[in-house]
Amino acid sequence: ETGVTQTPRHLVMGMTNKKSLKCEQHLGHNAMYWYKQSAKKPLELMFVYSLEERVENNSVPSRFSPECPNSSHLFLHLHTLQPEDSALYLCASSQVDGSYNEQFFGPGTRLTVL
Amino acid sequence: AQTVTQSQPEMSVQEAETVTLSCTYDTSENNYYLFWYKQPPSRQMILVIRQEAYKQQNATENRFSVNFQKAAKSFSLKISDSQLGDTAMYFCAFIPTSGTYKYIFGTGTRLKVLA
Repeated sequence: ETGVTQTPRHLVMGMTNKKSLKCEQHLGHNAMYWYKQSAKKPLELMFVYSLEERVENNSVPSRFSPECPNSSHLFLHLHTLQPEDSALYLCASSQVDGSYNEQFFGPGTRLTVL
Repeated sequence: AQTVTQSQPEMSVQEAETVTLSCTYDTSENNYYLFWYKQPPSRQMILVIRQEAYKQQNATENRFSVNFQKAAKSFSLKISDSQLGDTAMYFCAFIPTSGTYKYIFGTGTRLKVLA
């Protein structure tokens, strides 16, 4: 596989469920990101990891819990979500080396919370 | 607060014609990067073009070019010879070079190229 992959592509969960989203990048990048994409709203940055350390936590509710076990993998653990959390969740990676290079995005996980 | 504004929620253009998507941003930073990303229907978001604020020359990539007006804080995207494959959501994004990882995106413009 090449680029940034995300699994699952679609997820339906109840408000009491616990699930995890997975992201993997095959580009050798040193930074990984989680975004929430809702209709007619700007992309919302949720978390950023650089060299496996969390460097941004954008006031995200604690029902979202990120994990970055190594530079290639990023998880978003979900528990007791609300219907308003339904959205497309995008993972991205980039190489930060003194300049700001483009982000490479995964295809996203379409999450529906019932 | 730093913001990116895309004032055109939807646009359409005839195939082979030229279209311009607008983007304005607000920042007190002097050095930053600007990006246009394309998100085709049900497909991954990809970079279209990138501009460094300290470069006065407008970036170009084949049929895509930008009109970067730093004083006006404007960063419009021009698509020449539009093709059906250009149908997508287009997002303008900005990041200052002050050590943050926080890319700031606009709300997007949905472009439809008509045959």
